Amino acid sequence: DQQVKQNSPSLSVQEGRISILNCDYTNSMFDYFLWYKKYPAEGPTFLISISSIKDKNEDGRFTVFLNKSAKHLSLHIVPSQPGDSAVYFCAARGGSRLTFGEGTQLTVNP
Amino acid sequence: KAGVTQTPRYLIKTRGQQVTLSCSPISGHRSVSWYQQTPGQGLQFLFEYFSETQRNKGNFPGRFSGRQFSNSRSEMNVSTLELGDSALYLCASSLGRFLYEQYFGPGTRLTVT
Repeated sequence: DQQVKQNSPSLSVQEGRISILNCDYTNSMFDYFLWYKKYPAEGPTFLISISSIKDKNEDGRFTVFLNKSAKHLSLHIVPSQPGDSAVYFCAARGGSRLTFGEGTQLTVNP
Repeated sequence: KAGVTQTPRYLIKTRGQQVTLSCSPISGHRSVSWYQQTPGQGLQFLFEYFSETQRNKGNFPGRFSGRQFSNSRSEMNVSTLELGDSALYLCASSLGRFLYEQYFGPGTRLTVT
């Protein structure tokens, strides 16, 4: 069963606009949530995270929102830049193990 | 500080063969995890090693195995390769267990023909 799901395989936005990437999970035991960014031919790199006891975490242009009752998190990128074009994975921590979503390909058009 | 390194970067094998992939974690990192990435499946957890012991295992058949050495370097082995094993295999390291921030290597692209 897929405990972490990213239902949008791709997203295209204009430079300067907001990018919103979504992620849903089913396991209420997850205690930490992360977003990773992946460029082709590179491994994923850590972007931003949020503890299950918070509902928002901000780092520069990136903000992650967590809605525990809906088991939903989202990543907002404002403003979006062409260099943000990459595959974004959400991940959830349960114990010492990370469970990843399928990824969303973000394309930011100049 | 050098990042996580994986060798080889690319590999082509024939069905039925076996393969060994290598991962060198960031210096000082003791936990190594392996993931398989295939299109549409995201990153699937294979196993985690800490202090030379497998601590956690994902839902993969016994053909997938691994080990960790005293210097924290890790290898994973896949025996009797199948076409469906074609994937990007990623290794990630972290300082210890239960730490959320994992650092990934560039991966080994395995193609089974």
